[in-house]
Amino acid sequence: HVQLVQSGAEVKKPGSSVKVSCKASGGTFSSDSISWVRQAPGQGLEWLGRIIPMLGIVNSAQNYQGRVTFTADKSTSTAYMELSSLTSEDTAVYFCARYSGNYGLDYWGQGTLVTVSS
Amino acid sequence: IQLTQSPSSLSASVGDRVTITCRASQGIKNYLAWYQQKPGKAPKLLIYGASTLQSGVPSRFSGSGSGTDFTLTISSLQPEDFATYYCQQLNTYEYTFGQGTKLEIK
Repeated sequence: HVQLVQSGAEVKKPGSSVKVSCKASGGTFSSDSISWVRQAPGQGLEWLGRIIPMLGIVNSAQNYQGRVTFTADKSTSTAYMELSSLTSEDTAVYFCARYSGNYGLDYWGQGTLVTVSS
Repeated sequence: IQLTQSPSSLSASVGDRVTITCRASQGIKNYLAWYQQKPGKAPKLLIYGASTLQSGVPSRFSGSGSGTDFTLTISSLQPEDFATYYCQQLNTYEYTFGQGTKLEIK
């Protein structure tokens, strides 16, 4: 049974960075890909990017290129998403989700609320 | 690739048959997924590959389509189905989502 467990809520100042973790268990972490999706309050879902831990391949949404970094530690089956130069518009719940190649994100983390406030 | 869902919101009654559509701005073969999201929860995969039911999802949910036009159908609405539904394309980076369809109780 696949589980993705994310790190806890964060409160950040404008201009700072945040790093969210996503620890996987029960699956094939290295060969799967992990996508990151965010949801601003009352808004829809937005795909930020993905990483394939085994290959080190990363793809980022164009709007976030240069500001978002995806990494993974295969030894601990943990993926990370770091977002820099935070503004209030980055206040959102950030989700990680697994993609095993069947054209759907089948397992999701519980979400991490990031609040950006001065 | 942009995905346009319609309607944006929908009021229906328990037992109704409901259809939500998702139109892609260019062809995406069958690389489309549907998700259900309830308030405060992570999205849940319902349909992948446009028409394959995810394990554990009730058979009243079905998906169809290929290319640019897709549908999600709920054959007989149950109380637990009132939620927001999203489509997502996984054909081309970025893996964009539709804007969502909120299904409310009439």
